[in-house]
Amino acid sequence: GAGVSQSPRYKVAKRGQDVALRCDPISGHVSLFWYQQALGQGPEFLTYFQNEAQLDKSGLPSDRFFAERPEGSVSTLKIQRTQQEDSAVYLCASSLLPPGTGAEKLFFGSGTQLSVL
Amino acid sequence: DQQVKQNSPSLSVQEGRISILNCDYTNSMFDYFLWYKKYPAEGPTFLISISSIKDKNEDGRFTVFLNKSAKHLSLHIVPSQPGDSAVYFCAASVGGGADGLTFGKGTHLIIQP
Repeated sequence: GAGVSQSPRYKVAKRGQDVALRCDPISGHVSLFWYQQALGQGPEFLTYFQNEAQLDKSGLPSDRFFAERPEGSVSTLKIQRTQQEDSAVYLCASSLLPPGTGAEKLFFGSGTQLSVL
Repeated sequence: DQQVKQNSPSLSVQEGRISILNCDYTNSMFDYFLWYKKYPAEGPTFLISISSIKDKNEDGRFTVFLNKSAKHLSLHIVPSQPGDSAVYFCAASVGGGADGLTFGKGTHLIIQP
């Protein structure tokens, strides 16, 4: 497809379980962002990749969160030992060019809704 | 501390009238502002943006106004259509978004027939 694809669409995890969320950005897009959106809130920045380099991970809430983009295309967000407060929609977004180049229009996927019981 | 604030959780407007969505920010370093529209079960989609060097940007039915001295921006939709019913997020960035976008909590716009 032409858009950003995320899988799974829904994920239910038991507290303490590890989860992996996948993002397929638009082909050729250099920048990839992960956002977390809690219920009733706006998306909050987690981390940013430029190609395969993770340039900013300041938004990751704890060391249980880990993201990678090893070949500069597909990205995975991993959450270890999930907690109830991790329940949220995790959004992936990509853009053609790096930030600061006038390409701040991010294209978002539909997100993965994570529920931790 | 919310750096981007959308103080109206919801707004109801009659079809054909003007919809005005408001957004305030506190970080004077923000230099680029965007509006995103979100339907249920979908990701946000880009609507319109404005650089801090401008005070107005127009695209069809959508116009964004920026008042830097008041740290306020607004999105005007005219005329409002039923398909405009969605959640609208205001977002801001510093230096082109290298640190990601900072979003408001959103305003749910409901267009009444």
